[in-house]
Amino acid sequence: EAGVAQSPRYKIIEKRQSVAFWCNPISGHATLYWYQQILGQGPKLLIQFQNNGVVDDSQLPKDRFSAERLKGVDSTLKIQPAKLEDSAVYLCASSVQLAGSWMGTDTQYFGPGTRLTVL
Amino acid sequence: AQKITQTQPGMFVQEKEAVTLDCTYDTSDPSYGLFWYKQPSSGEMIFLIYQGSYDQQNATEGRYSLNFQKARKSANLVISASQLGDSAMYFCAMRGGVHNNNDMRFGAGTRLTVKP
Repeated sequence: EAGVAQSPRYKIIEKRQSVAFWCNPISGHATLYWYQQILGQGPKLLIQFQNNGVVDDSQLPKDRFSAERLKGVDSTLKIQPAKLEDSAVYLCASSVQLAGSWMGTDTQYFGPGTRLTVL
Repeated sequence: AQKITQTQPGMFVQEKEAVTLDCTYDTSDPSYGLFWYKQPSSGEMIFLIYQGSYDQQNATEGRYSLNFQKARKSANLVISASQLGDSAMYFCAMRGGVHNNNDMRFGAGTRLTVKP
C-alpha cells in the first residue's frame, strides 16, 4: 500500500512570494490533514478535510493560507504572500475515519513533509 | 481544551537498555485516543503505538509499550532493548472525541539519543 505522497520535498522562496504544496493521501482515506511544524515544536493542525469538505480550519491563517481538496482526493495548500515566520515543515496526513464520529483507533499516517524556507 | 505535555526535552539511553518517555495529557472528552510517533532526522512522522481511553490493557507493539495510567492522565512510552536506530524525536499526541472535532494535538517532543 502506497503511503502519503507530498511534493515538493524542499522549497526556498523570498518573503511576499507565493508557494503551493501538494498532497496525495493513502487510497481510500476519507480524512486529510495539513500540519505546520516549526523547528523544535510538535506539529500544529492547520486544516482538516473530510472527503472534499472542510471540517476544521480554525488554526489556518486565512489571510494568507488557503487549502482545497477537490474531488476528495488530492489536496493543495497555498501560502500567499509568505512571511519569514512561515518557515517550517508542512506535513500532510490522512486517516480512514470520518470526522464527527468516534470509531476507536484512527491512526493518522504522515507524508515525508515539505520543508519551506522563507528568506 | 486539550493539552499534551512532554517534560523531557532530551533523553539518553545506553544501547540495549530500556527507556521511558513521559507524556501527560488533559482533556474534557470522555473518549480519546493517545498516540506516539517517531520522527527521525528525515522528517517523516512514523506511527508507533495507540491507546484508547477505554482500553483495559496497556498497548504493546513489539519493543514499544504504552504505560497508560488514566487516573493520573499519563501515557508514557516504554522502549525496551534500545537500538541505535531508535535515536529520533518522539511525539506524544492525543486525539479528542466529537467535542473536539477529533483534533489531534501533539506535545513538544522528546529527543532520544541511544549511545553505543
